[in-house]
Amino acid sequence: GENVEQHPSTLSVQEGDSAVIKCTYSDSASNYFPWYKQELGKGPQLIIDIRSNVGEKKDQRIAVTLNKTAKHFSLHITETQPEDSAVYFCAAQRGANNLFFGTGTRLTVIP
Amino acid sequence: DAGITQSPRHKVTETGTPVTLRCHQTENHRYMYWYRQDPGHGLRLIHYSYGVKDTDKGEVSDGYSVSRSKTEDFLLTLESATSSQTSVYFCAIGGTSGGNNYEQYFGPGTRLTVT
Repeated sequence: GENVEQHPSTLSVQEGDSAVIKCTYSDSASNYFPWYKQELGKGPQLIIDIRSNVGEKKDQRIAVTLNKTAKHFSLHITETQPEDSAVYFCAAQRGANNLFFGTGTRLTVIP
Repeated sequence: DAGITQSPRHKVTETGTPVTLRCHQTENHRYMYWYRQDPGHGLRLIHYSYGVKDTDKGEVSDGYSVSRSKTEDFLLTLESATSSQTSVYFCAIGGTSGGNNYEQYFGPGTRLTVT
């Protein structure tokens, strides 16, 4: 099966700085890579995703990059704000049912 | 939460008792999923459904069963709850957005404690 590793497990940044979270995956057949944001007491919320035929995708202050050769993908958040504080999960998917998650990164944005 | 409700939201039960968690969607998505979330493990797939009465096992299916008699409802049953099943359970729904990949949207979760 797929194995997704995520780093770092915790990340603190000053408001306005950038944050980067990195993930690696093991199954070269994985072709869809979503990122989720989870706030305390809530379910994960899909914030951005990327497919294997694309190297980079951006949506306002967040962007995701994918390196298929190295089997790693990253989430970039620029101009961080206190409301960005949450736990972020990466995931890798092959097909409709096989979604494997990383163990999460707790991001704290310090005002 | 993308038109997904879960019930109950919190439950405390005793070891050995049966427990059923319910997921209800109003989005008419074909795929529905049950995950559990534990510290250090992220989210792990328990079972999923790809249509009414069509279900399959996920990564951590032992001790769990599911049923889907209507498109909108997906039930997760713990036949005889154990302390190792104390967890937060999330339901998700999936819809195709191109190719063979299905974006998944999560419900608010059910916190289950087995004493």
